[in-house]
Amino acid sequence: EVQLVESGGGLVRPGGSLRLSCAASGVTVGDNYMSWLRQAPGKGLEWVSIIYKGGRTFYADSVKGRFTISRDTSKNSLHVQMNSLRADDTAVYYCARGRLVEGLLWFDPWGQGTLVTVSS
Amino acid sequence: IQMTQSPSSLSASVGDRVTITCRANHSISTYLNWYQQKPGKAPKPLIYGATSLQSGVSSRFSGGGSGTDFTLTIDSLQPDDVATYYCQQGYSSPLVTFGPGTKLEIK
Repeated sequence: EVQLVESGGGLVRPGGSLRLSCAASGVTVGDNYMSWLRQAPGKGLEWVSIIYKGGRTFYADSVKGRFTISRDTSKNSLHVQMNSLRADDTAVYYCARGRLVEGLLWFDPWGQGTLVTVSS
Repeated sequence: IQMTQSPSSLSASVGDRVTITCRANHSISTYLNWYQQKPGKAPKPLIYGATSLQSGVSSRFSGGGSGTDFTLTIDSLQPDDVATYYCQQGYSSPLVTFGPGTKLEIK
């Protein structure tokens, strides 16, 4: 069974930084497309970033230049370094495995999420 | 690519057939996925490629459409179906976008 467990969320001031982690079991992070998505309180879903099997990375325009996705294959974990945080980055952040089939990407499964609150 | 969904919320009775619509502002062929998110839980994939049922998902769920207009239909609505449903376009993968969601309640 694939299990993804996020950690590292919390309260941070605007302009601050935070690093989220996702511990994976039942799936090898380095052999999969791994992604971060988020959901602001009471709002919809937003894709944030993805790292491909080969290491290529992509970002949503809203976080480009501020967030960096990475993985640690020795610990089978996924990370995202979030800098220059803003109030509109407040959200539950989910780690998810991406499934890319014939050019179509979807996310399965998702972790339980970790809440990031950006506030002074 | 922008996605819209209608209605934003709906209330139906147990046993009803419910249809949710998702629309893209550009043609996305069948690069469309559906998710179910129950209160306080992570999203769960239901449908991929517009019409293909994810493994383990009830056959009461079905998807249709292509191009810009898509539907998610739930037959014989059950109390356990209370959730918010999201569509997601995969045409511009990996730069995917989600619809705003449709909140489904039981009357």
